[in-house]
Amino acid sequence: EPEVTQTPSHQVTQMGQEVILRCVPISNHLYFYWYRQILGQKVEFLVSFYNNEISEKSEIFDDQFSVERPDGSNFTLKIRSTKLEDSAMYFCASSEAAFNEKLFFGSGTQLSVL
Amino acid sequence: AQSVTQPDIHITVSEGASLELRCNYSYGATPYLFWYVQSPGQGLQLLLKYFSGDTLVQGIKGFEAEFKRSQSSFNLRKPSVHWSDAAEYFCAVGARGGSYIPTFGRGTSLIVHP
Repeated sequence: EPEVTQTPSHQVTQMGQEVILRCVPISNHLYFYWYRQILGQKVEFLVSFYNNEISEKSEIFDDQFSVERPDGSNFTLKIRSTKLEDSAMYFCASSEAAFNEKLFFGSGTQLSVL
Repeated sequence: AQSVTQPDIHITVSEGASLELRCNYSYGATPYLFWYVQSPGQGLQLLLKYFSGDTLVQGIKGFEAEFKRSQSSFNLRKPSVHWSDAAEYFCAVGARGGSYIPTFGRGTSLIVHP
């Protein structure tokens, strides 16, 4: 089965540094998502992306966050100036269609902000 | 906005025993409902989903879930658990006619004793 690939699997950074989390969605998928899960808490929706623009975002996704599809295959999440509370597991997902179609998830990037 | 509650953080069962993982949702109409599983080092994988029709839904790996409107529940069941079922299980709800983005619970960790 095709899969969503996320790199790196673990990222450690200093507070205030910029990080870029990378994802390669499934090739024929058109909708892309980022979720995160802070340890012990719910998996939270961050943002969805379609047709090279953000289609929906949560209140978590503030000006410190941005997403990009730089080259037609990668889908990145950038955090400009990381805070301690950004430490979480970040999941990328993609789907063929919108409206509750099956989401395929990557295995996640564990971000630790020190 | 929709929300999901998974009241059990951890569930421990013996191999061969039956399993029921609880999920309650909050939404004003009939939602879309999902169960995902995350094995160690893997991404979230869709087990099953309910959109409409028969309220008892069959999924992969021998799992089933039953939508009970009167109880706002969508509990996941399996008659006989295998050691390989040890994983994190996530319930998710999607809204009809509004944001289709699934909202996840915090997950239930299933531990299987030999």
